Amino acid sequence: GENVEQHPSTLSVQEGDSAVIKCTYSDSASNYFPWYKQELGKRPQLIIDIRSNVGEKKDQRIAVTLNKTAKHFSLHITETQPEDSAVYFCAASITGANSKLTFGKGITLSVRP
Amino acid sequence: DAGITQSPRYKITETGRQVTLMCHQTWSHSYMFWYRQDLGHGLRLIYYSAAADITDKGEVPDGYVVSRSKTENFPLTLESATRSQTSVYFCASSVDSEQFFGPGTRLTVL
Repeated sequence: GENVEQHPSTLSVQEGDSAVIKCTYSDSASNYFPWYKQELGKRPQLIIDIRSNVGEKKDQRIAVTLNKTAKHFSLHITETQPEDSAVYFCAASITGANSKLTFGKGITLSVRP
Repeated sequence: DAGITQSPRYKITETGRQVTLMCHQTWSHSYMFWYRQDLGHGLRLIYYSAAADITDKGEVPDGYVVSRSKTENFPLTLESATRSQTSVYFCASSVDSEQFFGPGTRLTVL
């Protein structure tokens, strides 16, 4: 089955700097890669996703890039703000199959004011 | 997000008791999922359902039972709760692989 790994497990950046979170996946058939943000005590919420037919997708301060050859994808957050502090989960799945997502273990991002 | 709800939000029970966690969605999504979230393990899939009366095991199904008689409801039952089942439980529903999570249930087994 699919295996998704996130590294590092924690990341601390200064407010205003950029943050990059990387994930790798194992199943070359995976074609849908979402990122979820989970604030303390809250539910995971989808912030951006990418499908394998594109290499990059942007939404204001966040972007996701996908390298299918290397089987990794990354979340980029520019001009970080304290409210970006949260746990971020990446996931992978095969669309049209059973809609199951395989999640990474999450990374805790801390933005220092 | 108001379209998927979970109840109760908090539950304290004792070892050996049966507990049922409820999940209800108003979007008529075909797929529904149950996850548990523990520190250091991320989100682990317990069971999922493709449609009413169709369920399948996930990564950590032992000790749990699910049913889905109606599309909108997907209850999770712990038949005989154990301390290792203390966790935060999230229900989710899905359309085209995009999953939407409920607010979670924090379960403590004493």
